[in-house]
Amino acid sequence: KAGVTQTPRYLIKTRGQQVTLSCSPISGHRSVSWYQQTPGQGLQFLFEYFSETQRNKGNFPGRFSGRQFSNSRSEMNVSTLELGDSALYLCASSAEFNEQFFGPGTRLTVL
Amino acid sequence: AQRVTQPEKLLSVFKGAPVELKCNYSYSGSPELFWYVQYSRQRLQLLLRHISRESIKGFTADLNKGETSFHLKKPFAQEEDSAMYYCALLNNNDMRFGAGTRLTVKP
Repeated sequence: KAGVTQTPRYLIKTRGQQVTLSCSPISGHRSVSWYQQTPGQGLQFLFEYFSETQRNKGNFPGRFSGRQFSNSRSEMNVSTLELGDSALYLCASSAEFNEQFFGPGTRLTVL
Repeated sequence: AQRVTQPEKLLSVFKGAPVELKCNYSYSGSPELFWYVQYSRQRLQLLLRHISRESIKGFTADLNKGETSFHLKKPFAQEEDSAMYYCALLNNNDMRFGAGTRLTVKP
């Protein structure tokens, strides 16, 4: 089985811009979660989608949003980028949100 | 609110020595707990989960509800165990990770 893929792998944006990150889960997995990883804050849960519905959301501002398509692929959007949004964004998929399989991440740099 | 605490950011042991990575959690219900590991230049991956009560790569972890702990242990550390270890708690589709402990096993 192909693993979780994320595109793009690297992204450079400037403050105020918006960005969309994409995640393709393992075939058959219906749950997709997003995490932000930074040296200072570690791994922080953003949100989780299952069958196109957001089931849970972490403590992030409304600038962070996501969606899931009928084929389980998911996108994450960050609007009005701030310097502090620079991070590695990880996507993980699972069959029933127990064992999570992580993608390689998208490294976002905000200048 | 659920919280996972890994008190040690860094842990260094010699090869062959026992190792224990600490994890404490705060949660009032019956949690589902995991240990994830990230080796250098590799993806984050599941190491073990408490419900399966298994030993993976010589590591074990016991859930202690009285002490609200889920410490990861290995009797004889190997150099290839050097990695970043994260403890995680799952509740109602909300996964919370600890800050992580970087384990270095010296030769």
